[in-house]
Amino acid sequence: AQSVTQLDSQVPVFEEAPVELRCNYSSSVSVYLFWYVQYPNQGLQLLLKYLSGSTLVKGINGFEAEFNKSQTSFHLRKPSVHISDTAEYFCAVSGIRGGSEKLVFGKGTKLTVNP
Amino acid sequence: DSGVTQTPKHLITATGQRVTLRCSPRSGDLSVYWYQQSLDQGLQFLIQYYNGEERAKGNILERFSAQQFPDLHSELNLSSLELGDSALYFCASSVATGSAQYFGPGTRLTVL
Repeated sequence: AQSVTQLDSQVPVFEEAPVELRCNYSSSVSVYLFWYVQYPNQGLQLLLKYLSGSTLVKGINGFEAEFNKSQTSFHLRKPSVHISDTAEYFCAVSGIRGGSEKLVFGKGTKLTVNP
Repeated sequence: DSGVTQTPKHLITATGQRVTLRCSPRSGDLSVYWYQQSLDQGLQFLIQYYNGEERAKGNILERFSAQQFPDLHSELNLSSLELGDSALYFCASSVATGSAQYFGPGTRLTVL
């Protein structure tokens, strides 16, 4: 079974500042990792994914994340945030095995970008 | 736009009733997943179908059922509704093992 811990429930930052949203996971098998963003009253949009290969993954809207297997982490970063990045961000994991690739989500981090 | 469509967008009903939520996956995607999002439970996996067959079950109540039809659209049936079933229900689809899931806009269910 897998579990995901998002270490911060809320992160306030100023516009143009860097931000890091932290995610740690637990799994007895190898995993795929994902970050999704949810804007108010909308669905989940895929930001980026780690399936294999380079541990530094670049996504949409200038976000990137680094997979660290030894620390079981997949932190999301952006060097300079905009007001429009205000949203809730979810880290998710799925176990690599034949059959189901159900996603297990963290509880989310609300990012608020202030002017 | 993810390419996944869900209807209806909103649904308001009474306790004890039954509703059906519909999902059309992205063109070419064979897997459909259903998730529930609530304030107290967060995002929870309910059930997965792959090419018409049930592949995995999560925290799905016995009052809930789903199916995937030959044209690959899926329906989630919720019966004997309770106040606690009020939530956002998301459908997601993926093309194959090891690929990302793309989410629809969700159906917001309110049980009064």
